[in-house]
Amino acid sequence: QKEVEQDPGPLSVPEGAIVSLNCTYSNSAFQYFMWYRQYSRKGPELLMYTYSSGNKEDGRFTAQVDKSSKYISLFIRDSQPSDSATYLCAWGGGNRDDKIIFGKGTRLHILP
Amino acid sequence: SQTIHQWPATLVQPVGSPLSLECTVEGTSNPNLYWYRQAAGRGLQLLFYSVGIGQISSEVPQNLSASRPQDRQFILSSKKLLLSDSGFYLCAWSGQFNYGYTFGSGTRLTVV
Repeated sequence: QKEVEQDPGPLSVPEGAIVSLNCTYSNSAFQYFMWYRQYSRKGPELLMYTYSSGNKEDGRFTAQVDKSSKYISLFIRDSQPSDSATYLCAWGGGNRDDKIIFGKGTRLHILP
Repeated sequence: SQTIHQWPATLVQPVGSPLSLECTVEGTSNPNLYWYRQAAGRGLQLLFYSVGIGQISSEVPQNLSASRPQDRQFILSSKKLLLSDSGFYLCAWSGQFNYGYTFGSGTRLTVV
């Protein structure tokens, strides 16, 4: 069983729509959860991180974690063409030297 | 503030030629350093990581090697490039007080 499952897309939605991106994981040792955004030909950048189950909001972005189901989501409200990118979910353990596990990413296209 | 520099941005090399990609981090000390490769349409593949000067761990046996001659410098090398070495190479760092990894802007390597 893969440690992280993420639908590769591409996902195309009209501008202004709510976007839902999802990942599942299998390792209960994961303690913190992240979403990265990667524009074409650029390095990934950390978008959001959270330690706990529940929702965390940052502007138009909401990260949702359900540890009991081993499921995380990223919601983007009022999506903009500038949100078009690849979004990678990621997990880490509790120690600095624990390597982060990345999903393969979902390509998102926001249609103007 | 911390910054990560990675160069060159683009590189075209013939098969059999050597390779040297350099990555430096500023504004922090004793970072963990990472080299990733991202093939077209695929996820991030961890190649090497380092927790200190001269300490290199290899994740995938391959035609590449890494070195860390200074605390904030990480070098990816090859003596003879193969066509299969083409890809997008990313350097990243993590520290004691930041979440997740911070990535460089990447080097797109094409072996011809």
